[in-house]
Amino acid sequence: EADIYQTPRYLVIGTGKKITLECSQTMGHDKMYWYQQDPGMELHLIHYSYGVNSTEKGDLSSESTVSRIRTEHFPLTLESARPSHTSQYLCASSESRGRGEKLFFGSGTQLSVL
Amino acid sequence: KNQVEQSPQSLIILEGKNCTLQCNYTVSPFSNLRWYKQDTGRGPVSLTIMTFSENTKSNGRYTATLDADTKQSSLHITASQLSDSASYICVVSDRGSTLGRLYFGRGTQLTVWP
Repeated sequence: EADIYQTPRYLVIGTGKKITLECSQTMGHDKMYWYQQDPGMELHLIHYSYGVNSTEKGDLSSESTVSRIRTEHFPLTLESARPSHTSQYLCASSESRGRGEKLFFGSGTQLSVL
Repeated sequence: KNQVEQSPQSLIILEGKNCTLQCNYTVSPFSNLRWYKQDTGRGPVSLTIMTFSENTKSNGRYTATLDADTKQSSLHITASQLSDSASYICVVSDRGSTLGRLYFGRGTQLTVWP
């Protein structure tokens, strides 16, 4: 069982609200990732981090921002949520061990913006 | 364009039966191919990781094969159980890339009926 946790599991909010999705891992992994997934569609990378104070945007353009102040914590923030942000957000982590490194996922946050 | 295509999109089988899921990719250069199982509302869980030199890898009742020449992989599930009902996702990584450069398929939705 992976030691990576996401909160909340479900979130329903109104348009214009600021939200933060939490992600924490207790495995000491350097690399952490945020993916966005819509039903029946592939995962899209929106942010990643290779260590403290290191963050990069992923393949899919996103209005969200991330921070990596501590190794174990990688929160994602939306300053002003819109209905187009409705999706499942998956956090993941991996240790730096070459090409075969395993990716561990959290259980996800299902976000609905009304 | 690097792509990962999975078939079938969905599959229904009876408990105890075997099934095979397919994955074709155009990702180049190739580093490794992964199969993940994603239960509804949960994050993906790794089943197998195969590099260029590996033709087959097993994990319990799951057996993955890889033909790097034809760029095809399959996931064979033996003696299916109700708990096998999930989406199975094929993920390909390109050589020399960061782990962030993963190409995801849309998954095959497997339903096992009693």
